[in-house]
Amino acid sequence: QVQLQESGPGLVKPSETLSLTCAVSGYSISSGYYWGWIRQPPGKGLDWIGNINHSGSTYYNPSLKSRVTISVDTSKNQFSLKLNSVTAADTAVYYCVRDFSGYGLFDFWGQGSLVTVSS
Amino acid sequence: QSALTQPASVSGSPGQSITISCIGSSSDVGSYNLVSWYQQYPGKAPKLMIYEVSKRPSGVSNRFSGSKSGNTASLTLSGLQAEDEADYYCCSYASSTNVVFGGGTKLTVL
Repeated sequence: QVQLQESGPGLVKPSETLSLTCAVSGYSISSGYYWGWIRQPPGKGLDWIGNINHSGSTYYNPSLKSRVTISVDTSKNQFSLKLNSVTAADTAVYYCVRDFSGYGLFDFWGQGSLVTVSS
Repeated sequence: QSALTQPASVSGSPGQSITISCIGSSSDVGSYNLVSWYQQYPGKAPKLMIYEVSKRPSGVSNRFSGSKSGNTASLTLSGLQAEDEADYYCCSYASSTNVVFGGGTKLTVL
């Protein structure tokens, strides 16, 4: 069974960089599929951030593209998210996901990691 | 503002059927059979319930079904049960943004 687990700081200061890592077990990232991030502000809906495939090709939400970097470390079987110049609007639960198709078929999800942006 | 439009809430009694709509455009729902639906309980991660408009993943009850007509996708739940009370989100591939979600619909089982 594929499992994903997010890790990273729960509190980030405004203007700094949010960094999260997703450890994958039960499947080798280098074997295929897409691996990405989705966030959900408190009490609000889901917002797709972007994804990366096993070859390292990335796809980002245009609204966040200038601030986002998603990378993969196949040796550790994990992938990461960096979001720079954060503001309070970036406060959200961040989920790492497997996208089976690359077109929004999210078949496995992490439990979610709440990141609060506050000084 | 979400790219896909869903009703904020729907409700139904046990045993009834309900339908949740997801209105998109010719740039997303209308052009691709790549609509998926997710169920989310409070404090939990979403779960894939329908993919590619009408396909069910293994283990998802056949009480859940999906369809599409033009720019509108729909999720139908038949034989409503108390455990179906949750938030539901539609999602579609979109030519401009890759992936777009609906704003979510809260289903209440009366």
